[in-house]
Amino acid sequence: GDSVTQMEGPVTLSEEAFLTINCTYTATGYPSLFWYVQYPGEGLQLLLKATKADDKGSNKGFEATYRKETTSFHLEKGSVQVSDSAVYFCALSDRDSSYKLIFGSGTRLLVRP
Amino acid sequence: DVKVTQSSRYLVKRTGEKVFLECVQDMDHENMFWYRQDPGLGLRLIYFSYDVKMKEKGDIPEGYSVSREKKERFSLILESASTNQTSMYLCASSSARNQPQHFGDGTRLSIL
Repeated sequence: GDSVTQMEGPVTLSEEAFLTINCTYTATGYPSLFWYVQYPGEGLQLLLKATKADDKGSNKGFEATYRKETTSFHLEKGSVQVSDSAVYFCALSDRDSSYKLIFGSGTRLLVRP
Repeated sequence: DVKVTQSSRYLVKRTGEKVFLECVQDMDHENMFWYRQDPGLGLRLIYFSYDVKMKEKGDIPEGYSVSREKKERFSLILESASTNQTSMYLCASSSARNQPQHFGDGTRLSIL
């Protein structure tokens, strides 16, 4: 079945460092891909999305490009801030078969001043 | 902005009690979902609903039931609460298949 694999955390960075969180997927159809963020004590918020190959989603300085050839959707940010400390979830939705989102296990990011 | 509201942020109940978790969305979304989130296990889908009075089992429905009498409201019911149901419960809604889901802030439920 469909699945999402994320890099294990925690990822610890200094403020203004470059961030990459890897995400790869397996899917039988043509999924839409999402990144969600969860700040401490809160629910998940949609960070960005991409619906087809080569689409780039972006929001709040974060970017991710839908790469069909490598089945990847890596999250990047050029300069992280302490306020970016959170758990990040990669997810897919297979448009052909399901209402469900398939989530990765989450990657905790800790940004130090 | 979509607003998904869960009735309680924190809840403490005793084993054997019947527990109701309520969720309301204000964007006329067709689909609603209940997840639980546990350390090391990520998010797991309990039940979802794609229309009023319609429901589908998710990945871990055992010990739970749901009710959707009105489009905006989706209730999760623990028929007889057990300690292994202590968890964070997240409700979500979406406008259509393959669209982003919008989440509430979660209910942290403790069963003693």
